[in-house]
Amino acid sequence: DAKTTQPNSMESNEEEPVHLPCNHSTISGTDYIHWYRQLPSQGPEYVIHGLTSNVNNRMASLAIAEDRKSSTLILHRATLRDAAVYYCILRDVWRDDKIIFGKGTRLHILP
Amino acid sequence: NAGVTQTPKFQVLKTGQSMTLQCAQDMNHNSMYWYRQDPGMGLRLIYYSASEGTTDKGEVPNGYNVSRLNKREFSLRLESAAPSQTSVYFCASDSSRRGLEKLFFGSGTQLSVL
Repeated sequence: DAKTTQPNSMESNEEEPVHLPCNHSTISGTDYIHWYRQLPSQGPEYVIHGLTSNVNNRMASLAIAEDRKSSTLILHRATLRDAAVYYCILRDVWRDDKIIFGKGTRLHILP
Repeated sequence: NAGVTQTPKFQVLKTGQSMTLQCAQDMNHNSMYWYRQDPGMGLRLIYYSASEGTTDKGEVPNGYNVSRLNKREFSLRLESAAPSQTSVYFCASDSSRRGLEKLFFGSGTQLSVL
């Protein structure tokens, strides 16, 4: 079973910020939170990952709750090209483990 | 830099036929993975290989076999294809199976079994 839960779908207007939530209430202290996205007819691609502190890169920001039981992927200014399925997964930094993807959140961008 | 290359991109099989999906990566990665994605669904792990010479079952291994031929190549074989195996298959790789690493995916193989 997936260790994370995400809404099935979300909508946002173009050029507005998007906040994609992820719940991971059973996260362990050594789990990194990773986000991937899958554009139509493509393989998934890495977006961002973090452990405890908020993280920023050129694609997005990752906000991690203080108790680490939830996180939010933030797209600061959504474009039509950001329409995709976004997956939140956990990966242990020490243990070799199966990488389980859930169904993700399908993000629709409205022009 | 090609990354992860999958062949073929499309394949149609008849029930009972066999075929091998090929995957190669040029990033010197240790770990490689095979996932399947059914319409409207997320990715499900079929098999993975932590290093050359080792393979392990994932969530849905039944009906499949794998070979880690060398560090670069990880193939997925369907011995007797069934309509339930109609799916898009993705190969992925990373340098290790630990939390600090990024997964890199191929562009997928769309397989239809009639």
